[in-house]
Amino acid sequence: NAGVTQTPKFRILKIGQSMTLQCAQDMNHNYMYWYRQDPGMGLKLIYYSVGAGITDKGEVPNGYNVSRSTTEDFPLRLELAAPSQTSVYFCASSYPSGQTGFANTGELFFGEGSRLTVL
Amino acid sequence: GESVGLHLPTLSVQEGDNSIINCAYSNSASDYFIWYKQESGKGPQFIIDIRSNMDKRQGQRVTVLLNKTVKHLSLQIAATQPGDSAVYFCAEEQAWAAGNKLTFGGGTRVLVKP
Repeated sequence: NAGVTQTPKFRILKIGQSMTLQCAQDMNHNYMYWYRQDPGMGLKLIYYSVGAGITDKGEVPNGYNVSRSTTEDFPLRLELAAPSQTSVYFCASSYPSGQTGFANTGELFFGEGSRLTVL
Repeated sequence: GESVGLHLPTLSVQEGDNSIINCAYSNSASDYFIWYKQESGKGPQFIIDIRSNMDKRQGQRVTVLLNKTVKHLSLQIAATQPGDSAVYFCAEEQAWAAGNKLTFGGGTRVLVKP
């Protein structure tokens, strides 16, 4: 399994441009997430999805959109890039609690990250 | 608002010594806690987890301790190795209907000195 794959790894955008960060997982996980990580900070949840066709806002959703047409893919869209969106973006996936047979199943599997700079 | 935070931003440890990373949480409704390790340029990786009905859980060279009375979580790494140099995050799971939504703390950087 490749796990969680994110593309691109690096991108520079001009203010006002749009782009989509791609995320794919091959572990048949129902749950998927997008986090952003600012320098020296922890991760903040942008959007999440509990299954195909279902998405919901996290802590910092403004300026972003997501879609979940398949179990495998969870793209993150930036419509009008702003300098405040300069960050490292991480996609993650997980099983719903209780499906793996273990007592604690909250483990998130993260991608390698996508570093976005908006100038 | 309720949050998860860390006491020490940077921890320097001599190779072979034990490391202790601390974390404070404020949401008494959280019932699940996880420690992640993030190496430079990579995504976070799961280390160990613990439920609120437990005080201690051990893994390979790592132990997580949970003190619900003072809302404190710690990660102990035995015989710290150069490969343990990374940023460590604690995270708590907020109780909600669906999804494993985690709230992350700010992170502690561990530097292992040879």
